[in-house]
Amino acid sequence: EAQVTQNPRYLITVTGKKLTVTCSQNMNHEYMSWYRQDPGLGLRQIYYSMNVEATDKGDVPEGYKVSRKEKRNFPLILESPSPNQTSLYFCASSWARHNTDTQYFGPGTRLTVL
Amino acid sequence: AQKITQTQPGMFVQEKEAVTLDCTYDTSDPSYGLFWYKQPSSGEMIFLIYQGSYDQQNATEGRYSLNFQKARKSANLVISASQLGDSAMYFCAMRDQTGNQFYFGTGTSLTVIP
Repeated sequence: EAQVTQNPRYLITVTGKKLTVTCSQNMNHEYMSWYRQDPGLGLRQIYYSMNVEATDKGDVPEGYKVSRKEKRNFPLILESPSPNQTSLYFCASSWARHNTDTQYFGPGTRLTVL
Repeated sequence: AQKITQTQPGMFVQEKEAVTLDCTYDTSDPSYGLFWYKQPSSGEMIFLIYQGSYDQQNATEGRYSLNFQKARKSANLVISASQLGDSAMYFCAMRDQTGNQFYFGTGTSLTVIP
């Protein structure tokens, strides 16, 4: 089944404890992206990757890191999480980065930072 | 500057009636893509419909159609014959000319009344 998977689905952590949210797609997509969703703000793009070893900042990259060492994986790293990073996080992928390509989303990761 | 504006935080519609969800966008790019996604209470993001900036005809997908008015920079979603299962949050999104960046609106919560 073609899909985007994220792990964990739910995470409660404490301020300053490094964490990684994994994202994997099995559709051989070139483009991948991370978003956070907050009430009243919609989804905001954190980072995106055009292909392996090619990443760039979205609108809200502060406090996050990403890497794209393999085409299928695009982990999101929070080196020192803070309570304002409590949010619902989505990973998404698309075939390429043409503006005609739709994105397919993972199920989301609900993160709480205490 | 906000790229996507959804001015209706919440909408109600009677079952079997049609409903229009508003979306306006802001870009100076000649080429871009416009998307609508549905987010049910379970949280996943479901792609509904796409409209390209150069498309002459309005996009349709089953009960969904996109009323694209390029000069007004609007891309309203029309849902015909509403069903109870249409109750969800709906997001309008735009993919920029480079294909790298996605901008989402703040969403419209639709409730279908039996």
